[in-house]
Amino acid sequence: QKEVEQNSGPLSVPEGAIASLNCTYSDRGSQSFFWYRQYSGKSPELIMSIYSNGDKEDGRFTAQLNKASQYVSLLIRDSQPSDSATYLCAVRPGGYNKLIFGAGTRLAVHP
Amino acid sequence: GAVVSQHPSWVICKSGTSVKIECRSLDFQATTMFWYRQFPKQSLMLMATSNEGSKATYEQGVEKDKFLINHASLTLSTLTVTSAHPEDSSFYICSASQLAGQETQYFGPGTRLLVL
Repeated sequence: QKEVEQNSGPLSVPEGAIASLNCTYSDRGSQSFFWYRQYSGKSPELIMSIYSNGDKEDGRFTAQLNKASQYVSLLIRDSQPSDSATYLCAVRPGGYNKLIFGAGTRLAVHP
Repeated sequence: GAVVSQHPSWVICKSGTSVKIECRSLDFQATTMFWYRQFPKQSLMLMATSNEGSKATYEQGVEKDKFLINHASLTLSTLTVTSAHPEDSSFYICSASQLAGQETQYFGPGTRLLVL
């Protein structure tokens, strides 16, 4: 059973702070990792993908991947109330043409 | 780029009727489309993977005769919920991947189905 685990939250951070979202996965052969954001009542939208160990930055977002620890994280700098949403971690297990999604972490950014 | 549309966005139907949902990739060709279902406050659950011109691959526990999937072209996949019942009420979302080698999935806006 391929699994992706996330803390359901809610993770509450003040405006302007750094929000740190974490995700672990069970399949050691996984090669592709994605973070999606889902606002209440809406479908997921892609934030970023990461394939190699280390950090990948895109604007206020930084994805971090550690394949040895089977761990991927998303940092959101200068958090804004508009960042309040559920963040979904998705992993493509090795040999599979599909994504396994975590249950999501709800982020609340308060003014 | 990478825009995916779904139609309809909302549908209300009577129990026992069938409902068809369309998923279109507007600005790219999608060799693979995926159908998900999401119940309130739960995560996405993959129902099936659809490849253009071939039969869909259903996830364990998903009835292929109840959820008919057709991927007739590189830009269109349809999901038909046959003989819908109230327990089928959910948020159905499709996603699409671009041509081979591009595994990022782009999601449509979703279709809310309410079966009375």
